[in-house]
Amino acid sequence: DIQMTQSPSSVSASVGDRVTITCRASQGVRNWLVWYQQKPGKAPNLLIYAASNLQGGVPSRFSGSGSGTDFTLTIDSVQPEDIATYYCQQASSFPYTFGQGTKLQIK
Amino acid sequence: QLQLQESGPGLVKPSETLSLTCTVSGGSITGSYWTWMRQFPGKGLEWIGDIYHSGSTNYNPSLGSRVTVSIDLSKSLFSLKLRSVTAADTAVYYCVRHAGDSRYDYWGQGTLVTVSS
Repeated sequence: DIQMTQSPSSVSASVGDRVTITCRASQGVRNWLVWYQQKPGKAPNLLIYAASNLQGGVPSRFSGSGSGTDFTLTIDSVQPEDIATYYCQQASSFPYTFGQGTKLQIK
Repeated sequence: QLQLQESGPGLVKPSETLSLTCTVSGGSITGSYWTWMRQFPGKGLEWIGDIYHSGSTNYNPSLGSRVTVSIDLSKSLFSLKLRSVTAADTAVYYCVRHAGDSRYDYWGQGTLVTVSS
């Protein structure tokens, strides 16, 4: 199985800061990398698919980049409503696997 | 607006079979992959398996032969069966649409299944 490792496991930021979350795959996943946002008690919400494509309705302050084994989710100008846990998932090779999550808190 | 809704028992006894159904409304069940995911109490997420409208399936090998996903096009629903469950199968189960190109865009609200006697 491909292992997905996210860092950091938690991050604290002030409103307006730029936040970067990284996701590393144990082997190449081409660009088949997904980013989700999950708020407490809710299902994960698709933010980015195919590494860099913004899902419709997602604010443009979210962006994704990378290919192969190293990927990044960037939130420009963090807002209070961005408090959530963020997960990456590879959709390149079965079984598809997830990172362990990054919890974003606001200072 | 596409909607997915999970249904099934919230409590299953050890060694029995977990059965869940996902009803798809507001759109077509053809042309997409339909996926089951689960989230454990410690928050880790796991891909269980998926099914195309043709009936072709893919499963997580970690679940071995315990898992079956099926689809009923006439009723616009797909189902999950997980046999011989243990406490380790306690999780929130989600049904999800995979629209292609790694776009997991519609999720059900999730249903908590607890395995306990």
